[in-house]
Amino acid sequence: EDKVVQSPLSLVVHEGDTVTLNCSYEVTNFRSLLWYKQEKKAPTFLFMLTSSGIEKKSGRLSSILDKKELSSILNITATQTGDSAIYLCAVCGGSNYKLTFGKGTLLTVNP
Amino acid sequence: GAVVSQHPSRVICKSGTSVKIECRSLDFQATTMFWYRQFPKKSLMLMATSNEGSKATYEQGVEKDKFLINHASLTLSTLTVTSAHPEDSSFYICSARSDSEQYFGPGTRLTVT
Repeated sequence: EDKVVQSPLSLVVHEGDTVTLNCSYEVTNFRSLLWYKQEKKAPTFLFMLTSSGIEKKSGRLSSILDKKELSSILNITATQTGDSAIYLCAVCGGSNYKLTFGKGTLLTVNP
Repeated sequence: GAVVSQHPSRVICKSGTSVKIECRSLDFQATTMFWYRQFPKKSLMLMATSNEGSKATYEQGVEKDKFLINHASLTLSTLTVTSAHPEDSSFYICSARSDSEQYFGPGTRLTVT
């Protein structure tokens, strides 16, 4: 059975801090790893990673995949209160591109 | 990016009634759509995978007779919660696959009273 584990489950920081969120996985026929941000509604897409060692960046957010270690990290620098959300890691695998989600990391950024 | 819509966004129904939720891919054709369920403060749980023109594949523990899925066209999948009970109250989210990416609908909040 495919499995995705995220850590920490929750994190409280102050504005301006840098945070690192972790995701490890076990999946059959790995295709990609995806990061999502979820506020009040459905998740919004952040990154999709397929190759090991290549960092993807979007503003203050960046992510990297380590296929050897079966893990990924999501970094957020200079955090803002608007970054407060649940960050979900999902792994896409199998012939039907099924996504298996981790439980998420609840990030709270205090002013 | 691609757009996926869900309708309704919120529904309240009485116990014993059935509710239909629609998921549409607005600007692309989706051969595969997925239905997820999310309980408060929990992650998304895949309920079923829906392929256009064929029967849905349900995850273990999901009752196919209770959660009817129809994927009649490349842009529309429906989830019908039959004989709904309060424990079916949840946030239901669909996603549609385009190549190797999945795009999520905005979700439907179902409350069964």
